[in-house]
Amino acid sequence: SQQGEEDPQALSIQEGENATMNCSYKTSINNLQWYRQNSGRGLVHLILIRSNEREKHSGRLRVTLDTSKKSSSLLITASRAADTASYFCAPGLQGAQKLVFGQGTRLTINP
Amino acid sequence: DVKVTQSSRYLVKRTGEKVFLECVQDMDHENMFWYRQDPGLGLRLIYFSYDVKMKEKGDIPEGYSVSREKKERFSLILESASTNQTSMYLCASGYRDYGYTFGSGTRLTVV
Repeated sequence: SQQGEEDPQALSIQEGENATMNCSYKTSINNLQWYRQNSGRGLVHLILIRSNEREKHSGRLRVTLDTSKKSSSLLITASRAADTASYFCAPGLQGAQKLVFGQGTRLTINP
Repeated sequence: DVKVTQSSRYLVKRTGEKVFLECVQDMDHENMFWYRQDPGLGLRLIYFSYDVKMKEKGDIPEGYSVSREKKERFSLILESASTNQTSMYLCASGYRDYGYTFGSGTRLTVV
């Protein structure tokens, strides 16, 4: 399979804490993307990091990419109840236009 | 903003019926995709299309077909609906190097 595999499958933290999710993939990529899905809805694109980048920030999101280890991490700082959602990584594979998703990380922020 | 619109949020169909799920995007994207999402299985790619009248099978095309007669519209067809096709169906459009926009999803129940 060429999908991104997220870890952990589920994460529960207190509001205000930081949340870290990891993604591993198997083949060469042009970029890696992270998406969020609120319960019962479509996915929303959060951030894209290109293969020649090591770190990228967007608001409270920080993404890192290590192409030598074929892994990425998503850090959400100062979590809020509204961050409760499932998070998916999607490797943008070289030579392919399709995105393949894993099962995601289910993040729960407790008040 | 790019909009991807799926024609129905909820749909209930009977076994054996022919079912059409419609998806329309308004940003002139060549690429469009259909996924299904099931608990424990994540998102799985059913079919995708690179251009009008172009289609390629994804990971689970069995029991489905697609139609792309116009660039903005990508239809998923269940030729003879079965109970194991009860699922959330997600349509997306976009490009690997810029990210995808998803519709809100259609929750299909086959009884």
